[in-house]
Amino acid sequence: KQEVTQIPAALSVPEGENLVLNCSFTDSAIYNLQWFRQDPGKGLTSLLLIQSSQREQTSGRLNASLDKSSGRSTLYIAASQPGDSATYLCAVSMEYGNKLVFGAGTILRVKS
Amino acid sequence: DTGVSQDPRHKITKRGQNVTFRCDPISEHNRLYWYRQTLGQGPEFLTYFQNEAQLEKSRLLSDRFSAERPKGSFSTLEIQRTEQGDSAMYLCASTRGSGNTIYFGEGSWLTVV
Repeated sequence: KQEVTQIPAALSVPEGENLVLNCSFTDSAIYNLQWFRQDPGKGLTSLLLIQSSQREQTSGRLNASLDKSSGRSTLYIAASQPGDSATYLCAVSMEYGNKLVFGAGTILRVKS
Repeated sequence: DTGVSQDPRHKITKRGQNVTFRCDPISEHNRLYWYRQTLGQGPEFLTYFQNEAQLEKSRLLSDRFSAERPKGSFSTLEIQRTEQGDSAMYLCASTRGSGNTIYFGEGSWLTVV
């Protein structure tokens, strides 16, 4: 059974700092990995999608890497802003377009 | 493209009552998913449809839960004889084909009292 773990569970940083969120998964036979953002009481917004054959994806100040063999992914956020405060969730898909298995998320607070 | 729409956004019901949630996916998205999320946890998969066919159901989906997607358009998730443990946010998501970005709705909060 696939298990996804996110570390740290919570993180508080001053504005402008670069930060890294970690995600690990137990079964490396994934189809793809996605990072999502969730604001309190809201749905999820997809940030980055990395196919199993890819090593990284970038969007603006966000960069996600994938090391499938070691079962790890990182989300790097450059020059953090208070608006980045949210919960960040990592999820893996085990099969072609099938269900996602989520981690519990990292709660990020960026202080101004 | 108006996004994934869910209704109602909030529902408070008494234990034992039935509730139904509706999800309208992004038009032309053939895959539709239901997830459940409790506080402090990531979403858990419940079921998914490709067009009108329900292709997989999680063991979390007890016989009190039923989902439909008539004509491959909107979907409903019904919970019969609600229990306090059903209190959660029910999320709907849709995507076009496989391996593509998935879009989530804002969720439907259920509180069973």
